[in-house]
Parts: sequence; structure tokens; C-alpha cells
Amino acid sequence: GQQVMQIPQYQHVQEGEDFTTYCNSSTTLSNIQWYKQRPGGHPVFLIQLVKSGEVKKQKRLTFQFGEAKKNSSLHITATQTTDVGTYFCAGRQGGKLIFGQGTELSVKP
Amino acid sequence: NAGVTQTPKFQVLKTGQSMTLQCAQDMNHEYMSWYRQDPGMGLRLIHYSVGAGITDQGEVPNGYNVSRSTTEDFPLRLLSAAPSQTSVYFCASSIRDQGNGYTFGSGTRLTVV
Repeated sequence: GQQVMQIPQYQHVQEGEDFTTYCNSSTTLSNIQWYKQRPGGHPVFLIQLVKSGEVKKQKRLTFQFGEAKKNSSLHITATQTTDVGTYFCAGRQGGKLIFGQGTELSVKP
Repeated sequence: NAGVTQTPKFQVLKTGQSMTLQCAQDMNHEYMSWYRQDPGMGLRLIHYSVGAGITDQGEVPNGYNVSRSTTEDFPLRLLSAAPSQTSVYFCASSIRDQGNGYTFGSGTRLTVV
């Protein structure tokens, strides 16, 4: 079945540094979604990528979908303490959404 | 518009007890799913539904049952609780259009002793 792997598991950065998390699938994905979960909270939808090579930006966040639609990345420029949380990628097939393990980001002020 | 409502927020069960985690959404979403979240393991899909009367197994369905008699409700039943089912459970829903993300409930923290 569909499997989505995400690295790294943890990332500690100094405020102002950049951060990247990577997502890889063993199979071609029809689309990929990204979610953020604040500590003690629930996942919140950020964005969906559908097209091969697609790049989308949300302020300091840049999302990319690989040309082969098997990998994706989320890059945060100049992290802030408000970026703290766990970032998940997820592949969607119809009503089924499979998550990667997530990358927990901590930001030291 | 309440979104996705999960009850209870916290629950302690004894091994062997049964219980139902409730999930309701008021957004007329066709798709609903149950996940469990354990440290270091992300969110794992237990069961999902693409509409009333239709359910299917996810990645970790053993020990759990679901039913979807209405569009709004998607309860998760633990038949005989085990310590391995100690986890945080999230319910989520989405419209059929795959361009949209899922809306998550605030979760149920379950401890089985």
C-alpha cells in the first residue's frame, strides 16, 4: 500500500535560521498535502500540491512537489518561534489520506 | 458552525472494557476518517468512510469498529480495550473534492490501564 516517509524526525534551529522537511513516497502520488500541528493541538491543513514540479508559497513557507510526483518538501525561511510544531506531509487517494511520520520543529529564540 | 466535534476529550479505561469515541461534523462533508497518534509514529489511519453506509479499513484497523449511518456522525468503537490502544485519537472530515484538506477535531486522549 501507499507509504509516505518523512525526514528528519526532529529539527532544532535558532530563530532566524531556515528549515526544510522532506517527504518521499514509494509510489507516485496523485497529490500531496501538508499539515501543521502545534504542541497539544490538532493537525491544521496548510496546502495541497497536485502538479508535477509545482511550487507554492505562503509567506515564508515554500512547498515543492517533485517532477516524478514521488517527493515533496516544505522550506521555511527565517524561522520564528511561532513556527514551532510538527509538520506532516500526507498523500491522498480518494477518501484515504496517509500521513508521513512528521518533522518536529523547535525554534530557540 | 462547530466543525468537527469529538467527545470525550479524555478517557481512562480498564483493560477489556469497551467504549465508543464520538465524532460529529456539521459541514456536510462526505469523507470522514479516524486516526491514532503515538509518539514518533505520526498519524495512522484506522478506518475511513467516503459516505453514509460506506466504511473501509485503514492502516491499523484491528481492535476497532466503525459505522456511518448518517453523513454527520462517525463513531469509533473499541470492543475490548488493550493497553496498546493508549493513544490520542483524531477524527477528521473533508468534502469529496480532492483539492481540499481535512478538518480535524481536537482529539480524544485515551489511556487503557
